[in-house]
Amino acid sequence: KNQVEQSPQSLIILEGKNCTLQCNYTVSPFSNLRWYKQDTGRGPVSLTIMTFSENTKSNGRYTATLDADTKQSSLHITASQLSDSASYICVVSQYNNNDMRFGAGTRLTVKP
Amino acid sequence: NAGVTQTPKFRILKIGQSMTLQCTQDMNHNYMYWYRQDPGMGLKLIYYSVGAGITDKGEVPNGYNVSRSTTEDFPLRLELAAPSQTSVYFCASSYPSGLAGGLPYEQYFGPGTRLTVT
Repeated sequence: KNQVEQSPQSLIILEGKNCTLQCNYTVSPFSNLRWYKQDTGRGPVSLTIMTFSENTKSNGRYTATLDADTKQSSLHITASQLSDSASYICVVSQYNNNDMRFGAGTRLTVKP
Repeated sequence: NAGVTQTPKFRILKIGQSMTLQCTQDMNHNYMYWYRQDPGMGLKLIYYSVGAGITDKGEVPNGYNVSRSTTEDFPLRLELAAPSQTSVYFCASSYPSGLAGGLPYEQYFGPGTRLTVT
């Protein structure tokens, strides 16, 4: 079954600290993997998109990695800020963008 | 450029009532999507459209209908609302499937509609 599992479910860190969020998937055949940030009460916003040939992609303080062999991805957040408090969603596409499987997300809280 | 807009933001329906969730995009995207997001779950695709006049079912289409008469608008119709349809609904749009400069096209989401059926 094509699934996307994220861990941890929730995470609390202090401002300025780093953290890493995990995404494991069974979607096959793989097309691309996206990480989205979703603020409370808002729609998801794209952070990174990676295809099969890419194993790392950065967007400011966000760095995503992809291991297509083990079907794992991670999102590393450096020097966290209060504004990083949000849900982070991993999305894996099979074939094309019409068949996108969403993880349940990791709820990150950054405390001062 | 407003992006993807959705109305209403909130709505409470009684069981058996009907309503239409509106979605409009001003980016001239061909592809549009409707998702629902339940607490603790990933977004699930309800319906999508690859262009005006063309729609197709997603993972959870039962209890919903859509139409796409223009490129800009993609309304979602709920007939005979049920408590199981209580959820947050997101509309999204993108350029066609394929690659732009080697990367899949971005998908842009609206702010969502929070629907409660009691």
